[in-house]
Amino acid sequence: AQSVSQHNHHVILSEAASLELGCNYSYGGTVNLFWYVQYPGQHLQLLLKYFSGDPLVKGIKGFEAEFIKSKFSFNLRKPSVQWSDTAEYFCAVKRPTQGGKLIFGQGTELSVKP
Amino acid sequence: GAVVSQHPSRVICKSGTSVKIECRSLDFQATTMFWYRQFPKQSLMLMATSNEGSKATYEQGVEKDKFLINHASLTLSTLTVTSAHPEDSSFYICSVWDRDADTQYFGPGTRLTVL
Repeated sequence: AQSVSQHNHHVILSEAASLELGCNYSYGGTVNLFWYVQYPGQHLQLLLKYFSGDPLVKGIKGFEAEFIKSKFSFNLRKPSVQWSDTAEYFCAVKRPTQGGKLIFGQGTELSVKP
Repeated sequence: GAVVSQHPSRVICKSGTSVKIECRSLDFQATTMFWYRQFPKQSLMLMATSNEGSKATYEQGVEKDKFLINHASLTLSTLTVTSAHPEDSSFYICSVWDRDADTQYFGPGTRLTVL
């Protein structure tokens, strides 16, 4: 079965540190890839998505992600985190043949120390 | 993106009772909505796909007679947890699917506690 794996369960960084959150998926065909963020007490918000084209995708709030097909990866990055980036981050994968269904990774909790 | 609301945000009920959760798409006509369940510190687990005007499609292992889904209009889907038990306590989240953007937009979730 298709799965999505996020390597880090909890990441703790100081402000201004660089961030990279890993995401790997197991499906070998064409996929659409998403990163969502869930701030404390809020609903999931779309950070960015990749469907095709330039594998380096820029999203909101200074986030970007790189799709590396050979590694089945879609890692999320930010050069300099802020305290307000403290949240839960979810990677999700969708197969174009399965309508809108998303398969989510386990999530990574990011804590940024001021 | 689409704005999605859920009601109630929190509900506490006694074991054996039924609870209805509403998911509304406020600014988008959603032919397809999804229902998820999220356990503490865990990922979202897809429960079912809710299709306007037709029966929902349930994921493997999800009891359709226990989790009743109705999607009677393009702006409202409801999830009814029937004969709730403490193990049904969870965070239930809905989303709407924007087919044109091929993206889901999520509601704020409903915290269900069954005593």
